[in-house]
Amino acid sequence: DAKTTQPPSMDCAEGRAANLPCNHSTISGNEYVYWYRQIHSQGPQYIIHGLKNNETNEMASLIITEDRKSSTLILPHATLRDTAVYYCIVRVAWGSGGSNYKLTFGKGTLLTVNP
Amino acid sequence: EAGVTQFPSHSVIEKGQTVTLRCDPISGHDNLYWYRRVMGKEIKFLLHFVKESKQDESGMPNNRFLAERTGGTYSTLKVQPAELEDSGVYFCASSQEPARNLNTEAFFGQGTRLTVV
Repeated sequence: DAKTTQPPSMDCAEGRAANLPCNHSTISGNEYVYWYRQIHSQGPQYIIHGLKNNETNEMASLIITEDRKSSTLILPHATLRDTAVYYCIVRVAWGSGGSNYKLTFGKGTLLTVNP
Repeated sequence: EAGVTQFPSHSVIEKGQTVTLRCDPISGHDNLYWYRRVMGKEIKFLLHFVKESKQDESGMPNNRFLAERTGGTYSTLKVQPAELEDSGVYFCASSQEPARNLNTEAFFGQGTRLTVV
């Protein structure tokens, strides 16, 4: 899987948009970008994923650059409960097995939402 | 619908003892994964089941770890004998990817915090 690079930490004011960047310059054409987060003492939680197009769901938006070498996760109105470590992960989109299914977690970005 | 459940939530055992962790995936999910985070490290993949078969066990640290998934439902992860460096949080996840199309998310349990003293 391609490696990702994220800033170790970020701060955001409550109610404002949180924009979390991720670089994945070696991503392959058949790899998705996934975002998970881990709130303290809980298991990782899926947020969103995408291949080429921008994606939006009830939690967040994912903006992927045209060359797919970087992406940004946007939490439109951050709340105190969004304080967590956010992981950007690339993963193959299809495969017949082997090691394709696993998620490779890096260090992530600790997002702190301040009141 | 119940999520992924893990038992116990915490376990404290002495070095040399045996511990068995249990994971109940979301009903109908064929894929089941074990991950762990040891102190100060990143979350690492351990292994992956498809139904009752081990698809990928490349992350298992050594032969003191044994994972099973009899009948393709719940899974157990046994550590025998436990060592101090096995302390950490063990996560289980499940997913429902159809064959070859890995376009779905994995759902994680709350984890089991294992402390070996």
